Amino acid sequence: QQQVKQSPQSLIVQKGGIPIINCAYENTAFDYFPWYQQFPGKGPALLIAIRPDVSEKKEGRFTISFNKSAKQFSLHIMDSQPGDSATYFCAASMWRSGSRLTFGEGTQLTVNP
Amino acid sequence: EPEVTQTPSHQVTQMGQEVILRCVPISNHLYFYWYRQILGQKVEFLVSFYNNEISEKSEIFDDQFSVERPDGSNFTLKIRSTKLEDSAMYFCARATGSSDEQYFGPGTRLTVT
Repeated sequence: QQQVKQSPQSLIVQKGGIPIINCAYENTAFDYFPWYQQFPGKGPALLIAIRPDVSEKKEGRFTISFNKSAKQFSLHIMDSQPGDSATYFCAASMWRSGSRLTFGEGTQLTVNP
Repeated sequence: EPEVTQTPSHQVTQMGQEVILRCVPISNHLYFYWYRQILGQKVEFLVSFYNNEISEKSEIFDDQFSVERPDGSNFTLKIRSTKLEDSAMYFCARATGSSDEQYFGPGTRLTVT
């Protein structure tokens, strides 16, 4: 019940395309859902996050869509660029100070020029 | 976001040896975490630390692992007797406690031979 399922495992798009990465969770106690971007050999970098009280959050070219009833959330990258090529991880945690993050399996995104 | 330093960046050790991984967080962060990432896999929570005590630990964090903040600054993860399967990237993360946002360091690559 602590798992976060992420798909697809890998994704290839052309520059300007809109890759969509999906995550699903089971634990209804989760109420914080961040996305992290990771480049090879680097630590995960916080990209954008959402709470269940909103259905969508946008920051620059990155948008999270959240469906509380379906227990699913997704990351959309508008006008994708080759520099967006990285591994993306969704995660979830329960609201309390210091709560652990539970990560999805990751999606390796390649944006071709 | 302020940088967190992790040392060493790469550690090679022989099976059965003890290793200490270090993280130097920002002073106004109250919560510290260790996560690990086996090559090509997802990020996994190990332990969280608050007010000089472990606040939460995962099933991975067995008796071989320990954490401390010996001088009030550096935050360390000790693995007493390393195994081959401990080979991974180890990330330190920190949070202020006033939000859920966790920020990851650059990681230490541990290779056990």
